Amino acid sequence: AQSVAQPEDQVNVAEGNPLTVKCTYSVSGNPYLFWYVQYPNRGLQFLLKYITGDNLVKGSYGFEAEFNKSQTSFHLKKPSALVSDSALYFCAVRDSGYSTLTFGKGTMLLVSP
Amino acid sequence: ETGVTQTPRHLVMGMTNKKSLKCEQHLGHNAMYWYKQSAKKPLELMFVYSLEERVENNSVPSRFSPECPNSSHLFLHLHTLQPEDSALYLCASSQAPTGGNTIYFGEGSWLTVV
Repeated sequence: AQSVAQPEDQVNVAEGNPLTVKCTYSVSGNPYLFWYVQYPNRGLQFLLKYITGDNLVKGSYGFEAEFNKSQTSFHLKKPSALVSDSALYFCAVRDSGYSTLTFGKGTMLLVSP
Repeated sequence: ETGVTQTPRHLVMGMTNKKSLKCEQHLGHNAMYWYKQSAKKPLELMFVYSLEERVENNSVPSRFSPECPNSSHLFLHLHTLQPEDSALYLCASSQAPTGGNTIYFGEGSWLTVV
C-alpha cells in the first residue's frame, strides 16, 4: 500500500521569508514523489518530482523539494515567498509497480504582504 | 496554456438530467484519468484508462459512466446524479500510469446538481 500525509492544513508565511510545506510518505518499494499546486478555481499544476538521483529537486516558480529517505519525507521549499504563491499544495506518491498516484489532502499556503 | 482541455467548465444539472463531461489531451499521452475534488475531502481517483482500456474503477457509483473512444478523448457520462455529486471533476493524462510519469491536469469542470 502507499500513502502520503500532509500534516498541516495551512501554512502562513510573510512575503520574503522562506517557506516549507511538509510531506511524508509510506511505500513498500521505491517512491516516486510529486508536488502540485492548485490556484483558486483552477486545476492542479505540476511543480516538480523526484524519481531517483539527487535528493534536492528543483522545479517551477523557484520551488524545490528535498527527498529524505530515512525520514520518508519530501518537503517543498522556497527561499523567498511571494504573495502570488498563495495556493493549495498537494504532495503525491506512487509506489514502484503501482498505477495509482496517491495524493495528500493538501496544504493551504497563505503568504501575507 | 494547458495540454488537457475540459468542457464545459461549469455545468448545472437536475437530478433527472443526463449530461456529459468532455476531456481532450494534446500531449500524446496514452493514459487518461477522472478525479473528483470535493470541499473538505481528499482528491478521489475515479477511473483510469490506459491505451483506451479501463484499468481502474474505484467503486464509483454506476450513475457515473466513463468512455474513452481513443487515447486523446475521455468522457464522463452523468445520469440521475445526487446533490452530493456536486464537485470539481478533473481530467488528467500521462504516459503509461506507472513510475515517475507525470500526470497533467485540465482546469476542471465544476458540476452542481440541483
